[in-house]
Amino acid sequence: GAVVSQHPSRVICKSGTSVKIECRSLDFQATTMFWYRQFPKKSLMLMATSNEGSKATYEQGVEKDKFLINHASLTLSTLTVTSAHPEDSSFYICSASGSVAPTNYGYTFGSGTRLTVV
Amino acid sequence: GENVEQHPSTLSVQEGDSAVIKCTYSDSASNYFPWYKQELGKRPQLIIDIRSNVGEKKDQRIAVTLNKTAKHFSLHITETQPEDSAVYFCAAIKDTGRRALTFGSGTRLQVQP
Repeated sequence: GAVVSQHPSRVICKSGTSVKIECRSLDFQATTMFWYRQFPKKSLMLMATSNEGSKATYEQGVEKDKFLINHASLTLSTLTVTSAHPEDSSFYICSASGSVAPTNYGYTFGSGTRLTVV
Repeated sequence: GENVEQHPSTLSVQEGDSAVIKCTYSDSASNYFPWYKQELGKRPQLIIDIRSNVGEKKDQRIAVTLNKTAKHFSLHITETQPEDSAVYFCAAIKDTGRRALTFGSGTRLQVQP
């Protein structure tokens, strides 16, 4: 089945530093990548949608200069949290959709990244 | 855009009992309705889905029903087991692929042994 590898799974960083999260589709071409943020005991909140080779479309209230998304290839998308602050601490998870859909219509989730900013 | 409401937020059942989680959606054009199970700190796992041209789908102990007229769909888990304990999310989408799923708020299911 379709697999999306997300790294790192956990990261602790100091305030003011930047953190990069990678999502790779291992066995299909991810034409579209969705980035979500999830607070404890809450639902998945869509941050942005990125199509390969295009600029990401951000949801209202999400700062595009703070959450940089790059989707330069059909197998890799990255989310960089710039100048991280404690309030950015959260669980970040990607979801990939491909032109060659696996059985679940192509919504394959990464394993998530637990970011803690101290 | 689409809005999905999910109830209840928490559900506690005894092992062997059935559990039902309900969702309503706002966009009548939505045509794909997946259900995900998420364990603490893990990725959401698709457990069952249904398309708008079908009213019911079953997979062993799990079933989903869809009422397009009322714009609601439900997840039914029979003969619950402790390993069914998790958070369940419903979602809805029109024209899958380049659009993001709209998720419900989640239901924390606790199956008491």
